[in-house]
Amino acid sequence: EDQVTQSPEALRLQEGESSSLNCSYTVSGLRGLFWYRQDPGKGPEFLFTLYSAGEEKEKERLKATLTKKESFLHITAPKPEDSATYLCAVQARGGSNYKLTFGKGTLLTVNP
Amino acid sequence: AAGVIQSPRHLIKEKRETATLKCYPIPRHDTVYWYQQGPGQDPQFLISFYEKMQSDKGSIPDRFSAQQFSDYHSELNMSSLELGDSALYFCASSLGWQRSTSYEQYFGPGTRLTVT
Repeated sequence: EDQVTQSPEALRLQEGESSSLNCSYTVSGLRGLFWYRQDPGKGPEFLFTLYSAGEEKEKERLKATLTKKESFLHITAPKPEDSATYLCAVQARGGSNYKLTFGKGTLLTVNP
Repeated sequence: AAGVIQSPRHLIKEKRETATLKCYPIPRHDTVYWYQQGPGQDPQFLISFYEKMQSDKGSIPDRFSAQQFSDYHSELNMSSLELGDSALYFCASSLGWQRSTSYEQYFGPGTRLTVT
């Protein structure tokens, strides 16, 4: 069974204080690892997809990296508007199965 | 850019009633996924459709059924509602595997279902 574990559950940062969120995963064969941002009561907003170990992607203050066992979401000089829950999800390889298995998320709060 | 549309956005039903949730995917997307997110929980996969055929099934109760229509929109039908069905229901869409190698799923704003 595919499993995704995110840490920490919650993270408080001061504006400008860089940090990283962790996503550890177990999957029979990884098709893709996805990062989403979710604001309260809203749908997850797509951020990145990573497909193979060593891959990195960047978007504004966010940078996602992937190894064979985990992914990191690095946040550089965060701003209060970066406050949200960050969800990690995996998609397993094989057949017509494209469902996402999510972790429980990291609630990020950035104080001004 | 056009996004996934879900209706209604909010729905209040009583126990044992029936509810229908609708999802309109991003134009050109032929694959639709339904997820359920309980309070403080991560989204849980329910069911998916590719080219109007069911492609995968997750932890969807037998009381629920879904289908995808010729215009690719999808409907989730929920019967004999229980208090525990209260949750956010998200629809996501993507290009199917025959037309894309990116597999990215884009989520709608969700339908908040409250069962009283």
